Amino acid sequence: DAGVIQSPRHEVTEMGQEVTLRCKPISGHDYLFWYRQTMMRGLELLIYFNNNVPIDDSGMPEDRFSAKMPNASFSTLKIQPSEPRDSAVYFCASKTQGYGEQFFGPGTRLTVL
Amino acid sequence: AQRVTQPEKLLSVFKGAPVELKCNYSYSGSPELFWYVQYSRQRLQLLLRHISRESIKGFTADLNKGETSFHLKKPFAQEEDSAMYYCALSPSGGYNKLIFGAGTRLAVHP
Repeated sequence: DAGVIQSPRHEVTEMGQEVTLRCKPISGHDYLFWYRQTMMRGLELLIYFNNNVPIDDSGMPEDRFSAKMPNASFSTLKIQPSEPRDSAVYFCASKTQGYGEQFFGPGTRLTVL
Repeated sequence: AQRVTQPEKLLSVFKGAPVELKCNYSYSGSPELFWYVQYSRQRLQLLLRHISRESIKGFTADLNKGETSFHLKKPFAQEEDSAMYYCALSPSGGYNKLIFGAGTRLAVHP
C-alpha cells in the first residue's frame, strides 16, 4: 500500500488564482482529514470527513476554502482566490473507525506569490 | 479552550544525554494524548499514545493530570532521534479531532 497519496507535492501560484489540492486516502479507511501546517500556527485541523460526509469544518479559515469528498477514494481542498497568507504545507490523513491511528500523506507545499 | 503547548521550538542535546520534550495541555475532560514524530523527508507518524502505556524506540510519556502535562522522555538520546516532535490531544472518543502543539525540533549531536 502506498499510503495516503497527495498531489501535487509542490504548488506555486500567484495571488488570486484558484488552487486545488488532491488526496487519496488509504483504501478501507472511513475518515479523512485535512490539516494545514505553518510556522506561526503549527499543525491545524481544517476539516474532516466520515464516510464522505463532512463532520467538522470549524477549522476552515474562511469562505475562500472549500473541501469535498465525492467518493471514498478521493478528496479535494480548494482555495479560491488564493492569497500569500495561504502559503503553507497542507496534509491529508486517513484512519479507520474507532481508536485507530491517523496516517498522514507526504503533504503539499503551497506557495502563493 | 482546548490547547496544547510545547514551550520549546528547539531542543539540542548530545548523543547519550537524557531528553525531555515538554507538553502541556488545556482540556476540561479526560484527554487522549499522543506524540507524533516527523523524521527528515518522512511522513508524520504516530510515536506513542498515553493509553497504551508503552515504550517506543526508548521513548516514554506519562500523563500527569494534576500538572496537565504529557512530557516525552528518553534516557539516552541517539542521533537517529533527531526529528520534529508534536504533542496532540483528542478531545473526543475515536481519536478523530486532533489538536496539535506547535512542535519541538530535537537535534541530537554526535
